[in-house]
Formats: sequence, C-alpha cells, structure tokens
Amino acid sequence: QVQLKESDPGLVQPSQTLSLTCTVSGGSISSGDYYWTWIRQHPGKALEWIGYIFHSGTTYYNPSLKSRVTISVDTSNNQFSLKLTSATAADTAVYYCARDRGGYDWLDYWGQGTLVTVSS
Amino acid sequence: QSALTQPASVSGSPGQSITISCTGTSDDVGGYNHVSWYQQHPGKAPRLMIYDVSNRPSGVSDRFSGSKSGNTASLTISGLRSEDEADYYCSSYTVTTTVTFGGGTKLTVL
Repeated sequence: QVQLKESDPGLVQPSQTLSLTCTVSGGSISSGDYYWTWIRQHPGKALEWIGYIFHSGTTYYNPSLKSRVTISVDTSNNQFSLKLTSATAADTAVYYCARDRGGYDWLDYWGQGTLVTVSS
Repeated sequence: QSALTQPASVSGSPGQSITISCTGTSDDVGGYNHVSWYQQHPGKAPRLMIYDVSNRPSGVSDRFSGSKSGNTASLTISGLRSEDEADYYCSSYTVTTTVTFGGGTKLTVL
C-alpha cells in the first residue's frame, strides 16, 4: 500500500521560501508511470493544482505559480519536494502531496495534508 | 488556467439520485477524456471517486458514475446515503499539460 506523508514546516515568515517534502513509502518513486504532485487548498476554498514531477526530473507547473515554484525529486530517499519563493499570507493553505498515474489527472494516493501558515 | 465551473451546492434526500456538473472548455474537459472526481470530507484529504470520465477505482461504490458531453462532465450519485455528504471536486487534464480543478460542490443529504 503506497503512503505519502508531507513534512510539517508550520510557520513561514513572509518573503521567505516555503519548503515542503513528501516522503513516499510502500513503493519506489522511480518505478512506473507516475507523476508526483503538489496540490494546495486555501482555508475553506477549492483545491489548487501546483505542479508535478516525473522521476526523470521533468516538471510541469501551474502557470499562475510558475515563477515562484520549484518541484524536485530525490530518488535515493524516495522523496519529492516543493519550494515556493517570496511567500505571502496568500500562500497560507493546506498543502497535499499526491501520486498521479500517467500524469493525466488520476490522483489515486494522497498525503494527509499539512497546514502551512505564512505570518510574522 | 481557469477553474472549472461547478454548482456551489446540491442536495438530495436519502435514496434519491443527484448529479453534479463540471463545465470547462475545449482546452480541458471537452478536449480530453481525462476528467476525475474527488470526494472530500471535512478535515480529510480528497479521495478519488472517478477517473478518465467514467471509470471507478477499486473500492468505490457503483452508486457513483461519471459521464461527459461536450465541455461538461457530470458526476451522478444514486441511492444517496448520509455518508455521501461531502465536498466534491472535478478536475481535468488541460492543453498546457497541466491539471485544473473545479470550484467544488457541497453535497447535503437532507
């Protein structure tokens, strides 16, 4: 059974970089046709797709966030990460990592989510 | 990328059927058979209910079904149960090789 778990950065200072790591267990991040995905959800709002990465390192990002987002993969530790620069209060949200089968919007496994608050 | 359009809320009584619509464009819903539906209970992570328009993952009740016509996809839940009360989100693959979600629909079981 594949499991994903987000790290818990908690509080991030405004203008700093928001960093999250997703640890995958129960399967290799390098195997299969999977895209490893970040999604966020502002309090009381809809889901927002941030981007995803293939184990080869190929990435695709939401155009509205592309200038501030970097997603990377660490196959040796079975992890993938999100960095969002110049964080503001508008980036306060629950962040989820998930697995997309084939990169076609088939998110079959999700992490539990972690609340990241941007505030001084 | 613009969010897909869903009704803010729908409701139904136990045993009834409801349908939630999800409207996009030819650049997303209308252009690909890659539409998914997710169920989210309060404080929980979303759960995949339908993928590729009408396919159910293992473990999802056959009371849940999906379809698509043109730029609009639909999720139908038959034989409503109290545990179906949740938020539902559609999503679609897009022409820019990204994914876009709908605004979400709150389902109330009366």
